[in-house]
Amino acid sequence: DAGVIQSPRHEVTEMGQEVTLRCKPISGHNSLFWYRQTMMRGLELLIYFNNNVPIDDSGMPEDRFSAKMPNASFSTLKIQPSEPRDSAVYFCASSLTRASFGTEAFFGQGTRLTVV
Amino acid sequence: GDSVTQMEGPVTLSEEAFLTINCTYTATGYPSLFWYVQYPGEGLQLLLKATKADDKGSNKGFEATYRKETTSFHLEKGSVQVSDSAVYFCALSGTGANNLFFGTGTRLTVIP
Repeated sequence: DAGVIQSPRHEVTEMGQEVTLRCKPISGHNSLFWYRQTMMRGLELLIYFNNNVPIDDSGMPEDRFSAKMPNASFSTLKIQPSEPRDSAVYFCASSLTRASFGTEAFFGQGTRLTVV
Repeated sequence: GDSVTQMEGPVTLSEEAFLTINCTYTATGYPSLFWYVQYPGEGLQLLLKATKADDKGSNKGFEATYRKETTSFHLEKGSVQVSDSAVYFCALSGTGANNLFFGTGTRLTVIP
């Protein structure tokens, strides 16, 4: 398997523009996570899905952020409108969650977003 | 709720020095515990894990023992190398839970 695939790797956009980040999880995994990483705040969980259903989106900073998972092999994180403070590295991760033990997540390479 | 607290960084060591990065957790039930490593410009990757009390996870010379009595999962390595320079994250996942809680990360720099 190619692992978790994120696109684009780098994105530079102007303030106010819409940004869409994409993620393809590992085939067969049933959980998907979106994280944001900055120097100031470290690694923050934004939202996670189980079986394509959003389970916890309490980490989504505000209404400008939205995430979807239309099927088991694809997810998007959208920011509209984008602001300079959204500049960060966004990671997608997936896992196979079983009832008997906890989750081990596999991360993508991340998307480095710069909003100017 | 479930959470992880790990040692603040940054940590700077000379090559071949002994490494300890402390991690303690709060959780209900019997969580699984993990250490992830992030090399510059890359995503996080699993370094080692332990799924029950007294288990020892190990990989690439790193070790961590799941201590239920002290709710800890400290990362150790007997002799660090320059190539170990990275950010290390302690993480927890509850039994049957879908979520994964990370610590704040500890940046390790190893100098020759």
